[in-house]
Amino acid sequence: AQKITQTQPGMFVQEKEAVTLDCTYDTSDQSYGLFWYKQPSSGEMIFLIYQGSYDEQNATEGRYSLNFQKARKSANLVISASQLGDSAMYFCAMRALILTGGGNKLTFGTGTQLKVEL
Amino acid sequence: KAGVTQTPRYLIKTRGQQVTLSCSPISGHRSVSWYQQTPGQGLQFLFEYFSETQRNKGNFPGRFSGRQFSNSRSEMNVSTLELGDSALYLCASSPAAQGRAFFGQGTRLTVV
Repeated sequence: AQKITQTQPGMFVQEKEAVTLDCTYDTSDQSYGLFWYKQPSSGEMIFLIYQGSYDEQNATEGRYSLNFQKARKSANLVISASQLGDSAMYFCAMRALILTGGGNKLTFGTGTQLKVEL
Repeated sequence: KAGVTQTPRYLIKTRGQQVTLSCSPISGHRSVSWYQQTPGQGLQFLFEYFSETQRNKGNFPGRFSGRQFSNSRSEMNVSTLELGDSALYLCASSPAAQGRAFFGQGTRLTVV
């Protein structure tokens, strides 16, 4: 079974500052993928960044980077230079990576509501 | 490239009725997954279809069913609606057996 824990229900950050959203996970799978999604109030889940468990380097996508610490089972999202449009709910998710029959089932955390202030 | 399209966006139904939600994945994507999002339970996996076959199923009653057509479009059906079925239903498509999931805007279902 997989479990994702996001311990920050809400976060505030000032515009142009960096912010880190925490995510820890638990799984018995040897190979897995970790995802971060952004959900604005409109409801759509927007893919931000992906990290495979065997990737040696931390993933980066523009202003988003994933601080992956495998031994600690953490996959924190770092947003640099926050913008007002970053205000949204952020979800961490994971999926087992199995060569056959693994599927695309995602297990989500409870989310962190980020508010960017002027 | 068009994204994942879910229809309708909003729906109001009465208890006991049934409802069908539709999801058109990104062109070329063969995997479609469905999720239910509620304030109390968060995001929960319903089921996944790949090449017209259900590949994974979440822990939901049999009132929740789905199917996938040969063009990869998927439908989800909920029969005998209950008040607790009120939720945002999200569909995600992936290009392969295991790939990055891209979501639609969701269908917000209200059961009264």
